[in-house]
Amino acid sequence: GQQLNQSPQSMFIQEGEDVSMNCTSSSIFNTWLWYKQDPGEGPVLLIALYKAGELTSNGRLTAQFGITRKDSFLNISASIPSDVGIYFCAGQRNSGGSNYKLTFGKGTLLTVNP
Amino acid sequence: SQTIHQWPATLVQPVGSPLSLECTVEGTSNPNLYWYRQAAGRGLQLLFYSVGIGQISSEVPQNLSASRPQDRQFILSSKKLLLSDSGFYLCAWSHPGGGYGYTFGSGTRLTVV
Repeated sequence: GQQLNQSPQSMFIQEGEDVSMNCTSSSIFNTWLWYKQDPGEGPVLLIALYKAGELTSNGRLTAQFGITRKDSFLNISASIPSDVGIYFCAGQRNSGGSNYKLTFGKGTLLTVNP
Repeated sequence: SQTIHQWPATLVQPVGSPLSLECTVEGTSNPNLYWYRQAAGRGLQLLFYSVGIGQISSEVPQNLSASRPQDRQFILSSKKLLLSDSGFYLCAWSHPGGGYGYTFGSGTRLTVV
């Protein structure tokens, strides 16, 4: 089946530093999404990307949909303690019918030291 | 607006006991519904998904089952829990037309003792 390779698995950074994480796939996706999961909560959608080459920002977050449609990255600028959590990438293929299953990466665990 | 409710938030159950976790969605019709399990706070494993009432697809063989008795209700069940069923269970929904990702519930922390 389809797999997403998300890296790094974990990051330990100092408050104020910038963060970058990415996902790659051997398959093409029509949509790339980035989620954040706070401890003990469900993942929450941060950014959705719908077009190859698209670059989208949401506050201190910036994400890009790779030109080949097989990769995406997420950058966080000037990290703060509340950025702590697990970040998941997800790819979606419009495979027809009424089911559009997401393929998730294994997550990047981010720790921010104040 | 659409909302998703999942309960209970935490559950401690003895081995061999039954399980029923419930998820309901409001503000949309004919959603796609999903059950995920997350072990040790890491990867998301898709357990079941449903595209309509009574339509359940299982992704992995396991001790659990799912049912969708109503359009916006999704239930995860087990007749006899195993220790290995412990984990964080997440329900999610998506538009039937797709393309907008999933919205997750707040999760249920299940501990089987």
